[in-house]
Amino acid sequence: NAGVTQTPKFQVLKTGQSMTLQCAQDMNHEYMSWYRQDPGMGLRLIHYSVGAGITDQGEVPNGYNVSRSTTEDFPLRLLSAAPSQTSVYFCASSFRTSGDNEQFFGPGTRLTVL
Amino acid sequence: GEDVEQSLFLSVREGDSSVINCTYTDSSSTYLYWYKQEPGAGLQLLTYIFSNMDMKQDQRLTVLLNKKDKHLSLRIADTQTGDSAIYFCAESMGNYGQNFVFGPGTRLSVLP
Repeated sequence: NAGVTQTPKFQVLKTGQSMTLQCAQDMNHEYMSWYRQDPGMGLRLIHYSVGAGITDQGEVPNGYNVSRSTTEDFPLRLLSAAPSQTSVYFCASSFRTSGDNEQFFGPGTRLTVL
Repeated sequence: GEDVEQSLFLSVREGDSSVINCTYTDSSSTYLYWYKQEPGAGLQLLTYIFSNMDMKQDQRLTVLLNKKDKHLSLRIADTQTGDSAIYFCAESMGNYGQNFVFGPGTRLSVLP
């Protein structure tokens, strides 16, 4: 199993550009989520999905869109990048009904918006 | 919203014990977690504790939970240089318990 994979590892955008961060998992997990990590603030939940076709907003959803057309993939779209979106983005997945809710994290995408 | 707090930095000497503290706010959290993040990597689950437990021990790791004070701690015995990392405390929230609220992370530096 590859676990949770994310691409790209690094990305530089100009203000106003759009892009999609890719996330895939091969563990047949129902639950997937996106977090952003900023210094001194821990990880904050952007969007999450409890299964294919179902998504919902987290704590900081503005400026981001998601969709979940398959169990494996959960892309995060930045519609019009802003410098405030400079961050490290982590995708995570877990079994929806697992007792301990352990989440498995991808290696992260470091995004810089100029 | 819910808030999880941790001190940001901790330095210890190799071989000593490290204690990382965390306070959380949601008394309904079923599980509380400790994740480790090494430089340039994602988060790795270290251990977790069910909310009806006071203590959990796993090799060099001891987790203590004081539910009354909403205080969680992680003790690492015989700390090694390989333990240098950022440690995140997290509580689970939401209908399915999979939405995590993370603390800001404690950067542990282990000095030789």
